Formats: sequence, structure tokens, C-alpha cells
Amino acid sequence: AQSVAQPEDQVNVAEGNPLTVKCTYSVSGNPYLFWYVQYPNRGLQFLLKYITGDNLVKGSYGFEAEFNKSQTSFHLKKPSALVSDSALYFCAVRVRESSNTGKLIFGQGTTLQVKP
Amino acid sequence: AAGVIQSPRHLIKEKRETATLKCYPIPRHDTVYWYQQGPGQDPQFLISFYEKMQSDKGSIPDRFSAQQFSDYHSELNMSSLELGDSALYFCASRVRGGLNTEAFFGQGTRLTVV
Repeated sequence: AQSVAQPEDQVNVAEGNPLTVKCTYSVSGNPYLFWYVQYPNRGLQFLLKYITGDNLVKGSYGFEAEFNKSQTSFHLKKPSALVSDSALYFCAVRVRESSNTGKLIFGQGTTLQVKP
Repeated sequence: AAGVIQSPRHLIKEKRETATLKCYPIPRHDTVYWYQQGPGQDPQFLISFYEKMQSDKGSIPDRFSAQQFSDYHSELNMSSLELGDSALYFCASRVRGGLNTEAFFGQGTRLTVV
């Protein structure tokens, strides 16, 4: 079965410190990888994606993610966290087979808490 | 920039009632997805449409149906509502030019079944 795992329910970081939100996946082939952020009572906002090429992908609001094929991971990172980054973060994958219609498989979500 | 519009934002229904959720995709987006997010859970794929035809089906109950209209908006119809149907329902849209295009999500409809 294809799945996405976010091993941490919550990540706590002090403002100004670097943050990492972990994501690993188990899907066939080489999937497309995405990160979305969800603020309370809001929809999912796209942060960044990995399609091909450079393993380090830069996205919105200073976030970046590192793709590691051997470890099947796509960890989200930010060099200096802000209190306003506090939210729920979802990792998602989309399989590459042409028959797939583009649905996303989501991880369980990780709550990021950035404290002043 | 235009975003995905969902209506209503909040909906309260009683058990066994019906509900209709609407989704208006971003202009020129030809693919619409519906997801269900239960409390404290990740979004689960329900169903998708491409060019007004159902393109994929996930864990959607038989009590639910959906369609995409000629103007590309989509409606999710839910009948015989159960308490367990209480959730946040997201619609997403994208351009199906290739699998690498990202999906954009609406703000969701929060359905509460009492």
C-alpha cells in the first residue's frame, strides 16, 4: 500500500532557531512530492514541490525541502523559524504513472509550534 | 488572484438529512478533487473529475455522489447523513497539463451532523 509518514505529531521550536518537519514515503516509482500548510479553520496552502532535478527545493515563506531518494524522505526545513509559522503541515505525494489522475496521498500532519 | 471557492463554509445538518456542497475551481482549471478531513486526521481523497467526467474514485461512501458541470464547478451530494460524516470537506483544482502541477485548495466546508 502506498503511504506517507510524518513521524512527529508535533514539533516545538524557539523563534529564530532552525526547524525540520520530517516526511518519509512508501510509493511505487518516483513520486512527485509536496508540502502544504494548514492554518486553523483555513484550507491547505501550497508551500513547495519536488518534481525532478536539484534535491533541495525552495518554496514560499522561506521554507525549503530536501529530497533524499535513498531514504525516501522529503523533510521540510527553514533556517530561522517565526512565531507565525505555527500551523499544521502536511506532506503529500502523487504517483507518476500516467494512468494516475493526480490525487494526493497525505501524511498524518505535523503541528509546528514556534515559541517566542 | 482567483482562488478555489467553496460554499457554504459551514453547514449543520441532522442525521438522515441531505447536504450539497459546492466548489468553484480556479478559472481554466479542468480538474477538481474532493477530500474529506475528519477531526485530527489527514485529508482523504474522495473523488475527482476531469473535463466533467469522473476520473478517479477513492473512499467515497455510496451515499455520496458528485458531478462536475459545464462551467467546471462541482457539487458533492451527501444523503442519509451520519454522525461520522462530520468533517471538513475540501475541494481542490488544478490544470491537468501534467502530473507535476500543484493542486490549489479551497477553504473547505465544515459539515456538522447532529
